[in-house]
This record gives sequence, C-alpha cells and structure tokens, in this order.
Amino acid sequence: KAGVTQTPRYLIKTRGQQVTLSCSPISGHRSVSWYQQTPGQGLQFLFEYFSETQRNKGNFPGRFSGRQFSNSRSEMNVSTLELGDSALYLCASTSGGATDTQYFGPGTRLTVL
Amino acid sequence: GQQLNQSPQSMFIQEGEDVSMNCTSSSIFNTWLWYKQDPGEGPVLLIALYKAGELTSNGRLTAQFGITRKDSFLNISASIPSDVGIYFCAGQKGTDKLIFGTGTRLQVFP
Repeated sequence: KAGVTQTPRYLIKTRGQQVTLSCSPISGHRSVSWYQQTPGQGLQFLFEYFSETQRNKGNFPGRFSGRQFSNSRSEMNVSTLELGDSALYLCASTSGGATDTQYFGPGTRLTVL
Repeated sequence: GQQLNQSPQSMFIQEGEDVSMNCTSSSIFNTWLWYKQDPGEGPVLLIALYKAGELTSNGRLTAQFGITRKDSFLNISASIPSDVGIYFCAGQKGTDKLIFGTGTRLQVFP
C-alpha cells in the first residue's frame, strides 16, 4: 500500500504571496490532518478533514485554510505569506476511527523570503 | 500551542547503550504514540499504545502507557547508529487532535 504523499516537497515563496500544498492519504483513509513543524514551536496541529468536512481546528490565523475532496485528497492554502510561515508542513492520514493511528507524509518544506 | 513535556531534550550515547525517554502530560489521554523523525522527513510511527498499563515492544523498542494515563516512556535497547533522529511522543483523546511532545534528539556514536 502506498504511503502518504505530499507535493511539492520543497517550495520557496516571497512575503505576501499565497501557496497551496497537496496531500494524498493512504488508500482507504478518509481523515487527513495538517501540521506545521518549526524548530521553535515543534509540531503544531493546523486542522483535520474527514469526509470533506473540517472536524478539528488548531489555533492558527484565518490565512491558513484547507479543504478535502471526495477522493480524500486534501489541500492546504496559506495566503499573504509571512516570514514566520517558513516551516515543514506535514500531513497525516487515518481511516478516521477513534483508535486509528496517524501516518505521516514526508512533508513540504516551505521557505518564505 | 500545547505540547507535552518530553525528556530528555537530547541524548548523546555510545553504540550498544540503552536509551530511555519519557513524556508527561497534565491531561489524560486514551492513546499514546511514539514517532521517529529523520531530517527532512515526516515522523514515522514506532509504537502505538491504547490501554493504561500497556507495555508494547517493537524489536529493540519498548514503550509503556502509564497507569495514570498522563505519561508514557520509550526504551531503546542496544542502540545502533541508525537510531539517530528525533523521537516524539504524542497523546490523543478520542478523535481529538494529536498533541506532540517537544522531542528528544538522539545521537549515537560508534
């Protein structure tokens, strides 16, 4: 079974631009969660989508948004990029059950100049 | 954002030594997970624990779910160079978001 895939793997943007990251979950998984990882703040939860609906949301500003498609693929969008948005963005998928563990993708390394 | 207390923050050990790290929380969790992350990659699940008091092994790795549901530890026996990386604990209650520990950076010297 293929793992979680994320595209692109690396991205360089400038302040004020917007960016869209993509995540394809493990086949059969319906839940996708997004995390931001920085050296200073560690792994911080952004949001989770299950069956095309946002199920959980972390404490990030409205510039961070996401969506999920009917095939469970998910996208994350960040508008009006700031220098502090530079981070590794990780997505993780599960089948959505209460005891299901999350499997992570390799991440997208975003650098904002 | 919320993070779990994980210790130690970093460890420098010699190949063959055993390693122990732990994670504590002020909240009760139903699930404890341990992940390893290599540079530039996503975390890889090592062990998942679902029951208080549960002790689970995966090769040279052993993890336990504390009976108070507020802590967990991970042991690595007979460390080898490929054990190098950052180890994260994570706690979860139901389908709530995962809360991650601050990470333990492990360095193994031959």
